[in-house]
Amino acid sequence: DADVTQTPRNRITKTGKRIMLECSQTKGHDRMYWYRQDPGLGLRLIYYSFDVKDINKGEISDGYSVSRQAQAKFSLSLESAIPNQTALYFCATSDQARGPDTQYFGPGTRLTVL
Amino acid sequence: AQSVSQHNHHVILSEAASLELGCNYSYGGTVNLFWYVQYPGQHLQLLLKYFSGDPLVKGIKGFEAEFIKSKFSFNLRKPSVQWSDTAEYFCAVNAPGGADGLTFGKGTHLIIQP
Repeated sequence: DADVTQTPRNRITKTGKRIMLECSQTKGHDRMYWYRQDPGLGLRLIYYSFDVKDINKGEISDGYSVSRQAQAKFSLSLESAIPNQTALYFCATSDQARGPDTQYFGPGTRLTVL
Repeated sequence: AQSVSQHNHHVILSEAASLELGCNYSYGGTVNLFWYVQYPGQHLQLLLKYFSGDPLVKGIKGFEAEFIKSKFSFNLRKPSVQWSDTAEYFCAVNAPGGADGLTFGKGTHLIIQP
């Protein structure tokens, strides 16, 4: 399903570098989310946005920031990457108009911080 | 705050065996419940969901789940598994309206042996 795309798909970076992960969607959904997945911990919510002007912190927002540039784009930034931010990052969308509770996920970005 | 417990972190079964994966949640109010599947190297896909009504819900690929409110449980079942069911399975919960995103369990890694 290419409705939710993430770039890059893989990234290796060094401690202290600034990194941006991008998410785009063609589903026309108003809500977008960023999660990280760690082995044995499942997925945890970093940030979510209900529309362009509404951004909210999730469970683990420290060390991250986001930007909702348009309804279809939601970027996640690591201002100064650290090794424990090595994880698989997923973007997701949902649609308030059709019932916001079902989320659709992108393919993920595997980030390694050395 | 919501929490989700998946009791089995790793399950190994033979083809044609029956499957039941446990999921319990902790939340004081009405919830929406989901099972997602992540096949190797792929993104999360929705298997099934429960919002209201019949507590026995059927999803894709022959999976079903039963919501038992008194036990705060939403166990996933399949009568006869196939090798292609090898994947990671996540139970998730959110409050109606989708506020605060999804809370995921830690996942169950299911391996089906031919």
